[in-house]
Amino acid sequence: GQQLNQSPQSMFIQEGEDVSMNCTSSSIFNTWLWYKQDPGEGPVLLIALYKAGELTSNGRLTAQFGITRKDSFLNISASIPSDVGIYFCAGLFGKIIFGKGTRLHILP
Amino acid sequence: DTAVSQTPKYLVTQMGNDKSIKCEQNLGHDTMYWYKQDSKKFLKIMFSYNNKELIINETVPNRFSPKSPDKAHLNLHINSLELGDSAVYFCASSHSGTGILYGYTFGSGTRLTVV
Repeated sequence: GQQLNQSPQSMFIQEGEDVSMNCTSSSIFNTWLWYKQDPGEGPVLLIALYKAGELTSNGRLTAQFGITRKDSFLNISASIPSDVGIYFCAGLFGKIIFGKGTRLHILP
Repeated sequence: DTAVSQTPKYLVTQMGNDKSIKCEQNLGHDTMYWYKQDSKKFLKIMFSYNNKELIINETVPNRFSPKSPDKAHLNLHINSLELGDSAVYFCASSHSGTGILYGYTFGSGTRLTVV
């Protein structure tokens, strides 16, 4: 079945650093979604991407829909403590498939 | 004014017991889901209902039985609880058809601990 490979699995960064993570698949998706899960909460939708090559921003977050439709990228600029959490990519082709998450930790 | 609400937030119970988790959404969505998040934080879909009709039933033990009395509610009943059922269970909802392009809205989860 369809699977999403999300990397890195974990990131440890200093406050103020930029962050990049990505999601790849062997299958084509029509829509890519990026979610964030804060500790003790459910995932919350950050950005939705609907067209190959599309670049969309939400504050300090920027996500791109890969041109091959098999990948997507999320960048966070100038990280702050509240960026800590798990970031999930998700691809939509009939139903939503979730990646295994990237755990973002910010070092004091 | 919570969009997707689950109760209880925490549930600690003994092996062999039967328990239920309730979910309600006030977003006017017609599709609801149950997800299980294990200790590694992987999100795995269990069930999906559209307008009270079961449309997705992944490989889940038949001790798990979802019930949707109306399109705003999706409850999860678990019989004969086992240690391996310990996890966080998330309810989610969405529009169907092209509405799914806007993604799912998740509840805040129910942390089930079986002892």
